Amino acid sequence: EVQLVESGGVLVQPGGSLRLSCAASGFTFSTYWMSWVRQAPGKGLEWVANIKQDGSEKCYVDSVKGRFTISRDNAKNSLYLQMNSLRAEDTAVYYCARDVFDSWGQGTLVTVSS
Amino acid sequence: QAGLTQPPSVSKDLRQTATLTCTGNSNNVGNRGAAWLQQHQGHPPKLLCYRNNNRPSGISERFSASRSGNTASLTITGLQPEDEADYYCSAWDSSLSAWVFGGGTKLTVL
Repeated sequence: EVQLVESGGVLVQPGGSLRLSCAASGFTFSTYWMSWVRQAPGKGLEWVANIKQDGSEKCYVDSVKGRFTISRDNAKNSLYLQMNSLRAEDTAVYYCARDVFDSWGQGTLVTVSS
Repeated sequence: QAGLTQPPSVSKDLRQTATLTCTGNSNNVGNRGAAWLQQHQGHPPKLLCYRNNNRPSGISERFSASRSGNTASLTITGLQPEDEADYYCSAWDSSLSAWVFGGGTKLTVL
């Protein structure tokens, strides 16, 4: 069974940093593109970033370019999102998702507030 | 980044058919088609169809997708109470090198 489990979401002050993790199991992690998708409270889905199987290609939504970094460790079956210079508008549930969004984790809540 | 356009809400009667639309452009929906996701309140999204009408295993045949030009559609037949949810479309935008989502359609089953 495919499982994606996110962690690392907390309350953080504006300007702060945070690292989210996503632990994958039940499939060959190293053979799939992976994405981070977020959902602000009461709002729709917003794709944040994705990363190729070997980590050689990464894409980001404009609003996080230069602030967020996606990475992966295929040996640990893990996906990461390093979030710097956080803003109030980054407040959301962050999901990791596989490939064409065929599997999702339960999400982790990031709250940016003073 | 420009997103895809979905009607905010659709209401249909039980056992009727609902068709949800998603409009993009030639760089996204018109290029590789769209994926459709269903999200119930408080739960993560679930993929219903991808690249127009490929359904993951376990997804009911009541859900089907199609595309005409830059507009993708999701048709749900024989509406059930459990179909009441938010529905999102998504497509890879080749000019933005980014996935774009629609704003979502809230489907109400009367």
